[in-house]
Amino acid sequence: GENVEQHPSTLSVQEGDSAVIKCTYSDSASNYFPWYKQELGKRPQLIIDIRSNVGEKKDQRIAVTLNKTAKHFSLHITETQPEDSAVYFCAASRTGTASKLTFGTGTRLQVTL
Amino acid sequence: GAGVSQTPSNKVTEKGKYVELRCDPISGHTALYWYRQSLGQGPEFLIYFQGTGAADDSGLPNDRFFAVRPEGSVSTLKIQRTERGDSAVYLCASSLQGGETQYFGPGTRLLVL
Repeated sequence: GENVEQHPSTLSVQEGDSAVIKCTYSDSASNYFPWYKQELGKRPQLIIDIRSNVGEKKDQRIAVTLNKTAKHFSLHITETQPEDSAVYFCAASRTGTASKLTFGTGTRLQVTL
Repeated sequence: GAGVSQTPSNKVTEKGKYVELRCDPISGHTALYWYRQSLGQGPEFLIYFQGTGAADDSGLPNDRFFAVRPEGSVSTLKIQRTERGDSAVYLCASSLQGGETQYFGPGTRLLVL
C-alpha cells in the first residue's frame, strides 16, 4: 500500500519568513495530493491540493509543487503570519475505489513574532 | 451549505461496551470515509462508502469494527467490545464522488476507560 513520509515534524519560523514542508510517497499510481491544516481540537481543513497532471499550483501565499518522477511534493507558505501556526498534513491517494487518503505524520508549524 | 457533522462530539465509555458514532455528510456527496486519528498522528483510513456499499474496508482493524450507510447518506460506525486502545478521534469525511476533495467533520473523541 501507499506510504507517505513528511518532514520536518516541527518547524519554527519568524513572522514574514517562508516555510517549506516536504513529503514523499511510495505508490506511483497515486495521482491526488492534498494538504490539510489542523488547529488544535479542530477538523482538518483543506488548504490546497494538486493532481498529477500539473507540477505546481499556487493560491495567494500558499503553493504546492509536485515531482512525479521523484515521488515527492512540497508545501510552500510565504510571508507567514501567526495564524498560520497549526499542524499541516500532506496526503496522497488514487481516484475511484482506491480514493482513500494516506496521510503523512504531520508538521507542527509555529510562527513567532 | 452545511458541512459534515458528527455526533456525539465526545463519548466516554467503559472497556467492553458497544458504541455507535454517527456521520452526516454534505448533502449530495456520494462518497463517505471514516478515519481514526490518534494523538500526534495523521488520520488513518478505516472504510470508504460509495453510495450504500462499502467500496473499501481494508482499514478496519478487526471484526469489532463495522460501519453502515443504509440509505447512501448518514453513516454509523459501530465498535463492539471496546478496548482502551480504541481511544482516538474518529473523523468522517465526504466528497462529491470518489477521488474528489474530501471535507472533514469535527470528529468524535472516543475515550475508553
